Amino acid sequence: TQLLEQSPQFLSIQEGENLTVYCNSSSVFSSLQWYRQEPGEGPVLLVTVVTGGEVKKLKRLTFQFGDARKDSSLHITAAQPGDTGLYLCAKYSGSARQLTFGSGTQLTVLP
Amino acid sequence: KAGVTQTPRYLIKTRGQQVTLSCSPISGHRSVSWYQQTPGQGLQFLFEYFSETQRNKGNFPGRFSGRQFSNSRSEMNVSTLELGDSALYLCASSLGRLAGGNEQFFGPGTRLTVL
Repeated sequence: TQLLEQSPQFLSIQEGENLTVYCNSSSVFSSLQWYRQEPGEGPVLLVTVVTGGEVKKLKRLTFQFGDARKDSSLHITAAQPGDTGLYLCAKYSGSARQLTFGSGTQLTVLP
Repeated sequence: KAGVTQTPRYLIKTRGQQVTLSCSPISGHRSVSWYQQTPGQGLQFLFEYFSETQRNKGNFPGRFSGRQFSNSRSEMNVSTLELGDSALYLCASSLGRLAGGNEQFFGPGTRLTVL
């Protein structure tokens, strides 16, 4: 059962465009992590958001945690080919004592 | 500081065989977690080891097992391989346990193909 839904599943855009990807859950989570995975590599942690309504910026990437802590978004401004990769959200489940990942958004930025 | 290393990077096996994958964590990290990544199911948690003890396990059959050594290096074993076991197996290490909110660092993975 996929507890975290990500959309869109695939996204192909031109260099310079803006985009937003979403991560949604039917239940509240205490914190959420965003990762990027490039071909042939493991995921790399980008950010952790913990407070409802929180906004974090990492250069051209803006991460937002929903007020109700059931959703999150990642916005990329002026995308570059180097942003290409699989973007994954993940939450820690205390009851299951494991990290649960969303299905991912495969982003391709064309030069 | 060297990152997480996994060996081998690629492996081809046939149904019914068994396989052992190896993971060397970042120096000083005591927790090692294993994940399976497939196009259909995404990234799924297999198990976490800390101080040579399995601390929790995901929803996988008993054919999947692992262990951790005193130097924190970990191995994962899959017995009686099935076609559906074809996947990228990722190892991640962290200073402390997942329950402590410790950041995980992932290795590049081992690509297993079962024929």
